[in-house]
Amino acid sequence: GDSVTQTEGQVALSEEDFLTIHCNYSASGYPALFWYVQYPGEGPQFLFRASRDKEKGSSRGFEATYDKGTTSFHLRKASVQESDSAVYYCALGATNAYKVIFGKGTHLHVLP
Amino acid sequence: DAGVTQTPRHEVAEKGQTIILKCEPVSGHNDLFWYRQTKIQGLELLSYFRSKSLMEDGGAFKDRFKAEMLNSSFSTLKIQPTEPKDSAVYLCASSFGTGGFYEQYFGPGTRLTVL
Repeated sequence: GDSVTQTEGQVALSEEDFLTIHCNYSASGYPALFWYVQYPGEGPQFLFRASRDKEKGSSRGFEATYDKGTTSFHLRKASVQESDSAVYYCALGATNAYKVIFGKGTHLHVLP
Repeated sequence: DAGVTQTPRHEVAEKGQTIILKCEPVSGHNDLFWYRQTKIQGLELLSYFRSKSLMEDGGAFKDRFKAEMLNSSFSTLKIQPTEPKDSAVYLCASSFGTGGFYEQYFGPGTRLTVL
């Protein structure tokens, strides 16, 4: 079945560091790929989506490029801030199904 | 526009009690989802409504969990009877379109503690 794998469970960085959170997926066809962010005490918030090969999604300085060849959708940010500390979820939505499959999440800690 | 509203934000129940969680989706959204979130399992889908019709009723959760959508702007999740293993955050989400292509808008969640 379809699946999403986030390699890192936790990432610790200092302010202004470069961020990469890895996301790989397994699905047939061209699923939609998402990134969500969850702050403490809140529900996940939609960051952005991409739905075709080589499409770049971006929001709030974060970006990811849909890569069907490597089945990846890695999240990147050039310079993180303490306020970026949160849990980030990669997710997959098949075009012929209603379910969105979420990865396990990556907890980002940004130290001042 | 108002986002997804969930009440209560916190609930403490004794084992064996019945609890009802409430959700108001974003106005105009067609799909509504109930999830359970725990540190170990992450986000687990409990129920899914498409235009008020129940499309998924919880699989492994269906024996004690019952979601209803009384109208397009209100849904409930009943857990009966509660067990300590039900302690988790319960999230409601809504989506404008039908299908996995559309982003979901989540409420703040209800944190349930079962003693």
